[in-house]
Amino acid sequence: DIQMTQSPSSLSASVGDRVTITCRASQSTSNHLNWYHQKPGKAPKLLIYGASNLQSGVPSRFSGSGSGTDFTLTISSLQPEDFATYYCEQTYSLPHTFGQGTKLEIK
Amino acid sequence: EVQLVESGGGLVQPGGSLRLSCAASGFTFSDHYMDWVRQAPGKGLEWIGRIRNKPNSYTTEYAASVKGKFTILRDDSKNSLYLQMNSLKTEDTAVYYCARNSITGTTGLVYFDYWGQGTLVTVSS
Repeated sequence: DIQMTQSPSSLSASVGDRVTITCRASQSTSNHLNWYHQKPGKAPKLLIYGASNLQSGVPSRFSGSGSGTDFTLTISSLQPEDFATYYCEQTYSLPHTFGQGTKLEIK
Repeated sequence: EVQLVESGGGLVQPGGSLRLSCAASGFTFSDHYMDWVRQAPGKGLEWIGRIRNKPNSYTTEYAASVKGKFTILRDDSKNSLYLQMNSLKTEDTAVYYCARNSITGTTGLVYFDYWGQGTLVTVSS
């Protein structure tokens, strides 16, 4: 199975900050990498698919980059509604696997 | 509007069985693969399985942690997805989500673009 490791595990930031979360795969996933965020008690929501494609309806302050084993999710200017837990997911091979999550908290 | 609504969760004793349902609306259900993902309390997300569509013979895939005890089914005439769970253990306690699987691009990028609200399964004596 491909292991996905996110860093940091938690992050404190302020509204307006630029934030970057990284995700590393234990082997290449090409660009088969998705990002989701999840608020407490809610289902995950797709933000980015295929490493860099913005899902329809997702604000343009979210962007993704990377290929192979190293990926990043960037939020250019944090908004109050962005405080959540973020997960990367590889869909290159089965079983699909998620990172452990990055909890983004208000500073 | 795409909607996925899970039901069937609850409290079950170890060794017991439970069947979850996921009712889909707002899209052509029969076109899509469908997946199940679970989340243990306070933990991260775990993919547990997939069922493909009719052109792909309704074939299924499972995570090792549930293979042989969970079965994914679908009824396209009812726009419904099911998860039959047998031989349940305490470690199967989780919120179970159904998710619509979408595929795009020449390389077949897979992603889960719609999720249900989840249904909680608690395995305890």
